[in-house]
Amino acid sequence: DARVTQTPRHKVTEMGQEVTMRCQPILGHNTVFWYRQTMMQGLELLAYFRNRAPLDDSGMPKDRFSAEMPDATLATLKIQPSEPRDSAVYFCASGSTDNQQFGDGTRLSIL
Amino acid sequence: DQQVKQNSPSLSVQEGRISILNCDYTNSMFDYFLWYKKYPAEGPTFLISISSIKDKNEDGRFTVFLNKSAKHLSLHIVPSQPGDSAVYFCAATQNTDKLIFGTGTRLQVFP
Repeated sequence: DARVTQTPRHKVTEMGQEVTMRCQPILGHNTVFWYRQTMMQGLELLAYFRNRAPLDDSGMPKDRFSAEMPDATLATLKIQPSEPRDSAVYFCASGSTDNQQFGDGTRLSIL
Repeated sequence: DQQVKQNSPSLSVQEGRISILNCDYTNSMFDYFLWYKKYPAEGPTFLISISSIKDKNEDGRFTVFLNKSAKHLSLHIVPSQPGDSAVYFCAATQNTDKLIFGTGTRLQVFP
C-alpha cells in the first residue's frame, strides 16, 4: 500500500533551534497538507499545496514557520526559531480534500 | 473560533454496546462531513463520510447521522469492539476546500 512518509518521527531540540520536518507524499497525489495536533485545538491546518504551489498558509505563524515543496516528492515544514509552544505532533497528508491520507506524524518537543 | 466542535473529550463504552460520538458545527455552508479515526503513534485514517444532501450514511457497524437544522452530526458504532478504542475526529468542508477538524473524542471500549 502506498503511504505518506514523514521524517523524523521524533525530534527533541532546544528553544531557538531550527527544526525541519519532511514529508514524502503518495506518488501521483498533487495536494499536500500540513497539520498540527494539540490537545486544545485538535487538528489544525497549517498550510496546503496543490501542484507544489501554496494555496493557503493562513493557519501558520508566518514569522517563524515556512512550508515549501521543492519538488513533487518532497514537502518541508520549517520552524526557525523554535519555541516551547511549538511542541506538538505535526502531520502531513496528501490526496484530495475529501480523501486525505495521513503520514504517522513527527512528534516535536522543544525544551 | 472553532467552527467544528466535539464537546466530549472522552467516552467510555462497554463492548457490544452502542458508541455515540457527537460533533457540532457553526458554518451552514459546510457541504461534506467526515469522520477520521486515530490510533496512538499513527496518523488519522478515514472512516466514513456524509454529504449535506443526505441525513444518514451507513457502512457496516458505523453510521453517521446529519441534522442540518441543528448543525449536528453523530457517529454511531454498533456493536462497539475493543479495537474501536481510538481518538475520533469529525471534519467538515465547503466545496471540497480545506478540511476543518474538531478537537477529537477519545473512545475507550472496555470488555
